[in-house]
Amino acid sequence: DAKTTQPNSMESNEEEPVHLPCNHSTISGTDYIHWYRQLPSQGPEYVIHGLTSNVNNRMASLAIAEDRKSSTLILHRATLRDAAVYYCILRDSNYQLIWGAGTKLIIKP
Amino acid sequence: NAGVMQNPRHLVRRRGQEARLRCSPMKGHSHVYWYRQLPEEGLKFMVYLQKENIIDESGMPKERFSAEFPKEGPSILRIQQVVRGDSAAYFCASSPQSDRGSNYGYTFGSGTRLTVV
Repeated sequence: DAKTTQPNSMESNEEEPVHLPCNHSTISGTDYIHWYRQLPSQGPEYVIHGLTSNVNNRMASLAIAEDRKSSTLILHRATLRDAAVYYCILRDSNYQLIWGAGTKLIIKP
Repeated sequence: NAGVMQNPRHLVRRRGQEARLRCSPMKGHSHVYWYRQLPEEGLKFMVYLQKENIIDESGMPKERFSAEFPKEGPSILRIQQVVRGDSAAYFCASSPQSDRGSNYGYTFGSGTRLTVV
């Protein structure tokens, strides 16, 4: 079973920031927090990952709570192309990714 | 630098036929992972292979499913005597020879959508 909890869906307006939450209350000290997204009819795409500190890359930012029991993926300025299902995944040294149902992000023009 | 290549993108098989799905990893990658996705669900791990070796097949159904990754050529996921319940999207991912563990993001292919009629 997935060790993360995400809302089923979220809506946002185009060109506004989007904050996608993820709860992972049973996270262990060695678990990394990974985010992937899946556009319609596409394979999953790696977005970002982190361990303790907040992370930024060209796609998004990842804010990790101090106790690490939750995290938030931030899209700074959503576009229609960001409409996808976003998956939050905990990963230890195991190569397996355990996927939940993710959050379906709907972007309104 | 081509990404992970999967073919065919779409595959239709009648019940009882065989399905062969191919995955060519990224250049320089020698680890391949297969996942299955049913509609409206997340992906489920099936099998992890290195060249000429099956490392972990704990997610593979016990019957009809097999996977290989030969020394030369793509990785093959083979489903014999397909049934309607095998209809799903099948994705593969690859990683370099020296897997960097959890501090690494995987690259996935675009998948093969299998429909059994």
